[in-house]
Amino acid sequence: DVKVTQSSRYLVKRTGEKVFLECVQDMDHENMFWYRQDPGLGLRLIYFSYDVKMKEKGDIPEGYSVSREKKERFSLILESASTNQTSMYLCASSGTDEETQYFGPGTRLLVL
Amino acid sequence: KNEVEQSPQNLTAQEGEFITINCSYSVGISALHWLQQHPGGGIVSLFMLSSGKKKHGRLIATINIQEKHSSLHITASHPRDSAVYICAVRARYYGGSQGNLIFGKGTKLSVKP
Repeated sequence: DVKVTQSSRYLVKRTGEKVFLECVQDMDHENMFWYRQDPGLGLRLIYFSYDVKMKEKGDIPEGYSVSREKKERFSLILESASTNQTSMYLCASSGTDEETQYFGPGTRLLVL
Repeated sequence: KNEVEQSPQNLTAQEGEFITINCSYSVGISALHWLQQHPGGGIVSLFMLSSGKKKHGRLIATINIQEKHSSLHITASHPRDSAVYICAVRARYYGGSQGNLIFGKGTKLSVKP
């Protein structure tokens, strides 16, 4: 079974803090994705990566950065957390562009 | 206008009812996905299809490429089917396919016993 894990299920941070969200997949997938999900807006793509050290901006990259130093790990970084970044963050991976994306359980982030 | 529209937004059904969720899209696609998200957040892929029809247990997904429309049907619905169902398309641009998915906003289904 494909497994995508995320470092935390729930996280509470203060405004201005640096936040790291980590995602690990165990299927040797090339593609990895970070989404945020907000009520009424659905899933929106923040960043994706199609190879180690490669990254591409998604629809809403502002305020975020990413790191992919190893194939199995894709990190999302909030350099200075703000209250409007309170959201559910979901990581996903896929083998190729045409394949199903497998999602992690999500991290619910609250920024106070 | 959203590129992927789902209807209805919310749906309440009695156990045993036949359920249909619709998805319309406005772009050329290489594939369409149906996803299920239970309370708690985890998302599971139900189907990926590019033509015709697929069936898995009580779930059936159909797609009409010419009409840019897909439906997800649930037969003999059960309270455990209560979840958010999300339609997503992989857009095809100018002969190639882009890796990203475009998501609908989801349909929240509640099945009452």
